Amino acid sequence: EVQLVESGGGLVQPGGSLRLSCAASGFTFSSYSMNWVRQAPGKGLEWVSYISSSSSTIYYADSVKGRFTISRDNAKNSLYLQMNSLRDEDTAVYYCARDVDYGSGTPDAVDYWGQGTLVTVSS
Amino acid sequence: SYVLTQPPSVSVAPGQTARITCGGNNIGSKSVHWYQQKPGQAPVLVVYDDSDRPSGIPERFSGSNSGNTATLTISRVEAGDEADYYCQVWDSSSDHHVVFGGGTKLTVL
Repeated sequence: EVQLVESGGGLVQPGGSLRLSCAASGFTFSSYSMNWVRQAPGKGLEWVSYISSSSSTIYYADSVKGRFTISRDNAKNSLYLQMNSLRDEDTAVYYCARDVDYGSGTPDAVDYWGQGTLVTVSS
Repeated sequence: SYVLTQPPSVSVAPGQTARITCGGNNIGSKSVHWYQQKPGQAPVLVVYDDSDRPSGIPERFSGSNSGNTATLTISRVEAGDEADYYCQVWDSSSDHHVVFGGGTKLTVL
C-alpha cells in the first residue's frame, strides 16, 4: 500500500524557516517524481514544487521561487521542502504528492497524496 | 501565466448528470487531470489524461477535452459525490508550471 506521511509543520513567525519531510513507503520511491502542493485555509489547491525521480529536473511556483527548496533522498525514501523567508500567505496545509510519472520528464497527474501537514505563519 | 477557469459551484439532483467545466487557452492541446476533494480529506484523482479513469473510480466519472474547454462529467450523481473538484494541467510554456483550476463545489440537492 502506497503511503506518504508528511511531518515538520507547525507555527513559525514571518521571516522564519521550516523544513517539511515526507516519508514514502509501499512503492519504489526512486522511480517516481514527486510534488509539494499546498492549500490555504478555505482555499483551493496550489502547486508548490516538482522534483524528478533523479532530482535532475526541478520546478517551482513563482510564489515560492527563491525561498523554497525541494529535495529528496532516495536512499531514505524521503522528500523534503526547505522553506525560508516565510510569509503570512504561506500558511496552508502542505501535501506530499506522488506523480504518476510516465517518464516524460515533466509533471503528470498526481495519483497519491499524503494527509498533509499544517504550516502556520504568524507573529 | 496560464489560467484555468472553473465555475465556483454546480448543483444537481441525485440521479442526474453533473458537468463541471475547466476553461483555458487552447486547453485541448494539453492533458487535463481532475481531482475530487471532500472536506477534511486529501484530494483523489478521478480522471487523468483528459478521459482515463484510475482503478477504483466508478465509470460514472468521465472526461473530455477540446478547444478551450475540458469537462468532467458525473453521471447518475449520488449524494457521496458532493465535493470540491479541481482540474489541473502542466503548462510547458516558459513558465514551466503545474496549474490548478480554482475548484468547483458540487452540491447534490
